Amino acid sequence: EVQLLESGGGLVQPGGSLRLSCAASGFSFSSFGMNWVRQAPGKGLEWVSYIYSSTNTIYYADSVKGRFTISRDNAKNSLYLQMNSLRDEDTAVYYCARARNPLSNFDYWGRGTLVTVSS
Amino acid sequence: QSVLTQPPSASGTPGQRVTISCSGSSSNIGGNTVNWYQQFPGTAPKVLISSNNQRPSGVPDRFSGSRSGTSASLAISGLHSEDEADYYCASWDDSLNAWLFGGGTKLTVL
Repeated sequence: EVQLLESGGGLVQPGGSLRLSCAASGFSFSSFGMNWVRQAPGKGLEWVSYIYSSTNTIYYADSVKGRFTISRDNAKNSLYLQMNSLRDEDTAVYYCARARNPLSNFDYWGRGTLVTVSS
Repeated sequence: QSVLTQPPSASGTPGQRVTISCSGSSSNIGGNTVNWYQQFPGTAPKVLISSNNQRPSGVPDRFSGSRSGTSASLAISGLHSEDEADYYCASWDDSLNAWLFGGGTKLTVL
């Protein structure tokens, strides 16, 4: 059974940093691309970033470019999102989602982890 | 980043047919496939339709998708009360090199 489990969320002050993790199991992690998608409270979905299976292809939304860094460790079946210079508007539930390649649908999603940016 | 345009709400009675539209441009829907996601309150989204009109295993055939030009539609026939949820369209944008989501449509079953 495919499982994705996010962790690392919490309360952080504006300008601070946080590192999210997504532990994958039940499939060949190294064969799939992975995404981060976020959802602000009461709002819609916003795609954040994508990393290809071999890490040589990475995309970011303009809203996080230069502040967030996506990475993965295929040996640990783990996906990461390093978030720096956090802003109030980054407050959201962050989901990791699997996608075989950049244009594939997001076929499995984790339950999400809440990031709150507030002073 | 711009979003794809969906109506914020839709409604229908049990048994009715409801459609939800998604409008984009030539750099996204016009040149790439559309996926639809269903989300219940407090839970993660789930893929409902992929590649414009493909239903993943387990999705009832009451759900169907289509794409024409720079727009796409999700149709739900024989509406059930358990279909009450938020629905999002999504498409890759070649100009932005980014995934775009629609703003979401809240479906109410009256």
